[in-house]
Amino acid sequence: DQQVKQNSPSLSVQEGRISILNCDYTNSMFDYFLWYKKYPAEGPTFLISISSIKDKNEDGRFTVFLNKSAKHLSLHIVPSQPGDSAVYFCAAGTSYGKLTFGQGTILTVHP
Amino acid sequence: EAQVTQNPRYLITVTGKKLTVTCSQNMNHEYMSWYRQDPGLGLRQIYYSMNVEVTDKGDVPEGYKVSRKEKRNFPLILESPSPNQTSLYFCASSLSRGAGSPLHFGNGTRLTVT
Repeated sequence: DQQVKQNSPSLSVQEGRISILNCDYTNSMFDYFLWYKKYPAEGPTFLISISSIKDKNEDGRFTVFLNKSAKHLSLHIVPSQPGDSAVYFCAAGTSYGKLTFGQGTILTVHP
Repeated sequence: EAQVTQNPRYLITVTGKKLTVTCSQNMNHEYMSWYRQDPGLGLRQIYYSMNVEVTDKGDVPEGYKVSRKEKRNFPLILESPSPNQTSLYFCASSLSRGAGSPLHFGNGTRLTVT
C-alpha cells in the first residue's frame, strides 16, 4: 500500500517558467512533509519542509503548499533553472520517526 | 565536514554470502536509518534507530539486520543475500527522532546479488 504517491514520473519545463511537482498521501497521521532533491550518483538532499499545522512554506525560489483536506502537497519552483534538473522525492513522516517517501519525479529544465 | 559515509560504494556478491554495508556519521545525530531505492518504488525504509541500542523495523525489513552499538555507526547486515536485494542503498541520519528533522544522506551503495 503506497501511502505517499507521486503520480507524475517525469516533468519537463522551460528555463524561467514555473515547475509544479505534486504528491498525494493517504495517512492522516503524518505530521511533517518534506521534499528532497537527488542528483545522479549522490544521495538525496533536503530541500524544504512543512508541518501539518501550516499550509505554505517558502524558501527562496521554492514554495511548498499543503492541502490537508485533499491530502495533497505540491512543490513550486519559480523561476526554474537548468541546475534544478534532478529527481524530486516527497516524503511524509510521523513524530515517532517513521518516514515514507514517494516514488520520485524526474524534473528536466530546458535552457 | 559534516557527512554520512557509506562503504563500499559498489558491491557485487553471490547469493548466500553474508555481507555488511557500513555507515558512519560525524554529526552526533541521534536518528539513523537505511533505505533502498528501486525503480518505480522510490525510497523504502528498511530499519531505523532512534538512539544507541534502539532499532525498529521500517517498511521492508525482511532479509536485513542492523545494530546500533555506537551513536556514529549503523551497519546494515545481509546474512544471506538474495537477488531480490539487488538495489541502491542509502544510509541517512538526522539530529532528532521527529520526521521534521531533515535527513542527511550518504552517497549510496549499489549492491548486485547474482
